[in-house]
Amino acid sequence: AAGVIQSPRHLIKEKRETATLKCYPIPRHDTVYWYQQGPGQDPQFLISFYEKMQSDKGSIPDRFSAQQFSDYHSELNMSSLELGDSALYFCASTILGFSYEQYFGPGTRLTVT
Amino acid sequence: AQTVTQSQPEMSVQEAETVTLSCTYDTSENNYYLFWYKQPPSRQMILVIRQEAYKQQNATENRFSVNFQKAAKSFSLKISDSQLGDTAMYFCAFMTFENSGGSNYKLTFGKGTLLTVNP
Repeated sequence: AAGVIQSPRHLIKEKRETATLKCYPIPRHDTVYWYQQGPGQDPQFLISFYEKMQSDKGSIPDRFSAQQFSDYHSELNMSSLELGDSALYFCASTILGFSYEQYFGPGTRLTVT
Repeated sequence: AQTVTQSQPEMSVQEAETVTLSCTYDTSENNYYLFWYKQPPSRQMILVIRQEAYKQQNATENRFSVNFQKAAKSFSLKISDSQLGDTAMYFCAFMTFENSGGSNYKLTFGKGTLLTVNP
């Protein structure tokens, strides 16, 4: 069965640079969630999209922005990167109203040096 | 705001034995879901089991079962016949769906319990 795809899997950036993380949800899934998991921490909700509209926002810095495109894939744009942005970034998808189970991608490991 | 508490940072169990991981949560909502996710060393987040708050019957998935006590706001995970492959971080997670339109379906996680299964 198709799973959530995230790219790249690993990314190394320097401070103050910009990074773009991509998420391709499971086919026919209409909702995408982004989570950030710092070292030794639990995942923290960043932002979600339902049918290409932002549906909820968590503790996402103003330096980050995201969107969901017409093909339902989503991108998380991170600017002016800081050392504290080093984390594992998960994307998860679901079909809202059909199932509330969120299926997670493998994550993108971002390292800021 | 919802909070999820896992009071056991680490646990260990012998292979083939049974172990129970604890989770409590705090919410004023009446409709919600509870989940247990497993995160092995690969860091992949894998759904283990889910429980709908309106269901009194405890969820079961093969060797995994929950003890859901709504009044006590408790949601423990029991793993029977533990296997080496069960070694992982286990996260308890909460999701409310009081509002429509996609909002409030985010997961709130506990801090996790690192489970080690010993041979």
